Amino acid sequence: DSGVTQTPKHLITATGQRVTLRCSPRSGDLSVYWYQQSLDQGLQFLIQYYNGEERAKGNILERFSAQQFPDLHSELNLSSLELGDSALYFCASSVVGESDTQYFGPGTRLTVL
Amino acid sequence: AQTVTQSQPEMSVQEAETVTLSCTYDTSESNYYLFWYKQPPSRQMILVIRQEAYKQQNATENRFSVNFQKAAKSFSLKISDSQLGDTAMYFCAFMEGGSEKLVFGKGTKLTVNP
Repeated sequence: DSGVTQTPKHLITATGQRVTLRCSPRSGDLSVYWYQQSLDQGLQFLIQYYNGEERAKGNILERFSAQQFPDLHSELNLSSLELGDSALYFCASSVVGESDTQYFGPGTRLTVL
Repeated sequence: AQTVTQSQPEMSVQEAETVTLSCTYDTSESNYYLFWYKQPPSRQMILVIRQEAYKQQNATENRFSVNFQKAAKSFSLKISDSQLGDTAMYFCAFMEGGSEKLVFGKGTKLTVNP
């Protein structure tokens, strides 16, 4: 157990819908990262937050957004969902950010029908 | 952009034997970090080992060790005394120094046979 928690574990929804994935980092970690794992794209970095502020952005679609709250938990919002958004979404956390080891949560499996 | 290549999509090994997983990367940076993560059937991503590019000594964690060849941009993972619980996907990952994002390879599926 890495200490990073993610809810829900599984999510099944329809195209065009909006969902929110939640992540709580390890105690003491200030940075939260979101990654997407799909069969065709592999593991891709989406976005990072550090202490409530957006720090780095990767291949995140405009339909996706995230935020980090004062208690340091983070939410990833996915809207206007398409079949291709079906994937495993991981949250990771680290103490600070730069050059830190990232510890991953168990992931949320999103299925868009 | 940095790229990470794992040339072995699948490998298998007998229990108690040793296996080596390959990884090469491409970067023009001198300061970076390399990682191996394991993803068992449970899908959890578990850190196996970390190597700092500035360190000459190869990292070791119990039965897991790396062979880091900086000039060749190679970072292989050796698993000694393989156990059934080592069956998993193994991902090599790169992080540029001062960066926050991990760049992953496509993974190697390792099966340990009894």
